Amino acid sequence: DVKVTQSSRYLVKRTGEKVFLECVQDMDHENMFWYRQDPGLGLRLIYFSYDVKMKEKGDIPEGYSVSREKKERFSLILESASTNQTSMYLCASSRTSGRVQGPGEQFFGPGTRLTVL
Amino acid sequence: KNQVEQSPQSLIILEGKNCTLQCNYTVSPFSNLRWYKQDTGRGPVSLTIMTFSENTKSNGRYTATLDADTKQSSLHITASQLSDSASYICVVSAGAGKSTFGDGTTLTVKP
Repeated sequence: DVKVTQSSRYLVKRTGEKVFLECVQDMDHENMFWYRQDPGLGLRLIYFSYDVKMKEKGDIPEGYSVSREKKERFSLILESASTNQTSMYLCASSRTSGRVQGPGEQFFGPGTRLTVL
Repeated sequence: KNQVEQSPQSLIILEGKNCTLQCNYTVSPFSNLRWYKQDTGRGPVSLTIMTFSENTKSNGRYTATLDADTKQSSLHITASQLSDSASYICVVSAGAGKSTFGDGTTLTVKP
């Protein structure tokens, strides 16, 4: 059974703290993604990675950084957490599909609900 | 700018009834369209995928349609069950691999 796991389901941090969110997938997928999900705004892409040590900015990268040192692990870092980063964070992974099928199905983790006080 | 709009924003139906969710998109160039189901407190799970040449795809009681000319898709749920209560998200992917997510439709099925 395919699996994407995230290090925490719930996290409470204080303003200014450095926050690490970890994501691990066991499907040998090339691509990994970090999203945040807020009511009324849907899922918004923060960063993605299509290979080890590679990263690309998504739609809302400000205030975040990422690290991918190993294929199965993709970390999201909040250098100095702020209250407007309170959100649900979802990690996903996908295989690179062929040109005909287009982007592969993304498999999502259970999410981390982060509260910044 | 690529956009995906879903309607309605929320929907309440009685158990056993059918319903249809809508997705309009302006993503170009079109690669594929997926419908995801997201249960409360969990990550989204893919229900169907449709490519340009497909106009209907079924997955059990879920049937997705795609009209590439009008850039519209629908997800039809037949004989709804309480477990269908969830958020349904339409995701359209462009040729470059970028995916655009809709805001989702929240479906509540009542007994």
